[in-house]
Amino acid sequence: EIVLTQSPGTLSLSPGERATLSCRASQSVSSSYLAWYQQKPGQAPRLLIYGASSRATGIPDRISGSGSGTDFTLTISRLEPEDFAVYCCQHYGSSPWTFGQGTKVEI
Amino acid sequence: EVQLLESGGGLVQPGGSLRLSCAASGFTFTTYAMSWVRQAPGKGLEWVSGISNSGGSTYYADSVKGRFTISRDNSKNTVYLQMSSLRAEDTALYYCAKGSGSSFFLFDYWGQGTLVTVSS
Repeated sequence: EIVLTQSPGTLSLSPGERATLSCRASQSVSSSYLAWYQQKPGQAPRLLIYGASSRATGIPDRISGSGSGTDFTLTISRLEPEDFAVYCCQHYGSSPWTFGQGTKVEI
Repeated sequence: EVQLLESGGGLVQPGGSLRLSCAASGFTFTTYAMSWVRQAPGKGLEWVSGISNSGGSTYYADSVKGRFTISRDNSKNTVYLQMSSLRAEDTALYYCAKGSGSSFFLFDYWGQGTLVTVSS
């Protein structure tokens, strides 16, 4: 089983600042089958990034993903008020399809 | 607009059973795999079970294998999760999630979830 470890657990930033979130896999993620999701209280999770770096439909270009192998990064270049949320990574290349524990981006 | 509406959650005693439903709309249901993903209070997301678009293939996490059964009715655009022998550790918000066109287990749309509480 691939274990995904996200850091930091919480990121305290202000609107307009840059957010850098890390997701580290316990073994190499095949073909960069790595996704990022955003979660807000009371809302359905939202797909942001797939294939490590491809933005999902409707995701603004201030949100970007990078990385390969075991180290992946989600970057929000300039935080908007709606970006304060929990972000989690997921690998979807092989069973079991696991998620990281999440990083909370707070004001 | 894609919509996934879960129902069937509630309070159940340990050892009991519950059936969750997820009614889908806004896309061609028969084309896509579907999954259930849960989130225990204060915890991260955990994939639980998935089913191919035809229903011919099913997949389970080790934590629920032998206790949960996923199925779908393509005539009703609905996917189900039959849960039995429930344990306290099954307490969670259960999300229905749609597989993307490129991968069964890349989830491009999610429902808002239905809460399952296992307690005596």
